[in-house]
Amino acid sequence: TQLLEQSPQFLSIQEGENLTVYCNSSSVFSSLQWYRQEPGEGPVLLVTVVTGGEVKKLKRLTFQFGDARKDSSLHITAAQPGDTGLYLCAGLNAGNMLTFGGGTRLMVKP
Amino acid sequence: EAGVAQSPRYKIIEKRQSVAFWCNPISGHATLYWYQQILGQGPKLLIQFQNNGVVDDSQLPKDRFSAERLKGVDSTLKIQPAKLEDSAVYLCASRLTRGTGTGELFFGEGSRLTVL
Repeated sequence: TQLLEQSPQFLSIQEGENLTVYCNSSSVFSSLQWYRQEPGEGPVLLVTVVTGGEVKKLKRLTFQFGDARKDSSLHITAAQPGDTGLYLCAGLNAGNMLTFGGGTRLMVKP
Repeated sequence: EAGVAQSPRYKIIEKRQSVAFWCNPISGHATLYWYQQILGQGPKLLIQFQNNGVVDDSQLPKDRFSAERLKGVDSTLKIQPAKLEDSAVYLCASRLTRGTGTGELFFGEGSRLTVL
């Protein structure tokens, strides 16, 4: 079983601060996805990164895929209360199995 | 476009009872997943279907869990008999892309199971 470790598990910050969430594995993935999940709902896709070293930006969110395609990071600039939620990374392997990390629970206080 | 539908949203049962969850994926999506998400953790894959065939069920506790996807559309996940540690949210997801690809998974709202 391929494992994805996310850190930190919990993060509580003030509005306007920056933060980075990490997703690490010893396995290589064909692509990596980041999802955001709110209470009582299913995860919703934020981005998919495919190429080693790839960087994608989504407004204040910046996603990076490691050169070796084993790790990824999510950086949020000037966090807002609306960014509060559970952030999940998920790796897709050659067999199309999607494995999720344990998640990072983010709380942004106004 | 309608999303992934799941029912029931909530279910409370006593241990050793049985329960069944239903999932209707997005029309045309060939791949269907069932995930178990225990409170405070990330989703754990239980079973993956491609049309009506099982692709991976290596993490499904087959002594008590079963799943089927007859006709390659709707799917049901059954637990019999339930244990306390089965308390979790059961998420169904579907995906359009076949073969290798980066297709997005679309999730339902989940079925929250509480075993007393």
